[in-house]
Amino acid sequence: KQEVTQIPAALSVPEGENLVLNCSFTDSAIYNLQWFRQDPGKGLTSLLLIQSSQREQTSGRLNASLDKSSGRSTLYIAASQPGDSATYLCAVQYLFSGSARQLTFGSGTQLTVLP
Amino acid sequence: SQTIHQWPATLVQPVGSPLSLECTVEGTSNPNLYWYRQAAGRGLQLLFYSVGIGQISSEVPQNLSASRPQDRQFILSSKKLLLSDSGFYLCAWSDGLAGLIQYFGAGTRLSVL
Repeated sequence: KQEVTQIPAALSVPEGENLVLNCSFTDSAIYNLQWFRQDPGKGLTSLLLIQSSQREQTSGRLNASLDKSSGRSTLYIAASQPGDSATYLCAVQYLFSGSARQLTFGSGTQLTVLP
Repeated sequence: SQTIHQWPATLVQPVGSPLSLECTVEGTSNPNLYWYRQAAGRGLQLLFYSVGIGQISSEVPQNLSASRPQDRQFILSSKKLLLSDSGFYLCAWSDGLAGLIQYFGAGTRLSVL
């Protein structure tokens, strides 16, 4: 069964700290991996997409890495701010995910950045 | 630009009542469409997806059904709601050809009492 796991489930850090969120997946035959942000009671916003041939992607203070061989991805957030507080979801598009390229989601890491 | 609309934003329904949630996409043609459910303390679960009008695939057997009567309209329904149907329902779309990134609606919070 293709699964996606995120650790930790919750994380609380002081403002300004650099932090890393972890995502692991069970099958290395992936098409791509995405990181999303979800604010409470809201929909998902795509942050970064890493294609299977890429090792990392950067957007502002965010950097996502991908290691297919070990089945891991990390989301690095530099100089965290209270506005970064949200749930961060990792999702994998497996190669054999069908014609609609379904995503398999992790259960998320709830991040709280304390002012 | 493309936009996705989902309504209603919140819904409180008694057990046994019917359900209809609607999702529409603007600014694109022949999108892939998805319905997800996010239960409390759990991750997103794909319920249904559609690659075209009238084409529905179900990922999880359940009390719900989906329909796509028009190219950019996706409807989630139930004839009789159960308590376990409570959750946060999200609609999403992706480009029908590339399909790399999924774009999500704002979600519907459903409480079945």
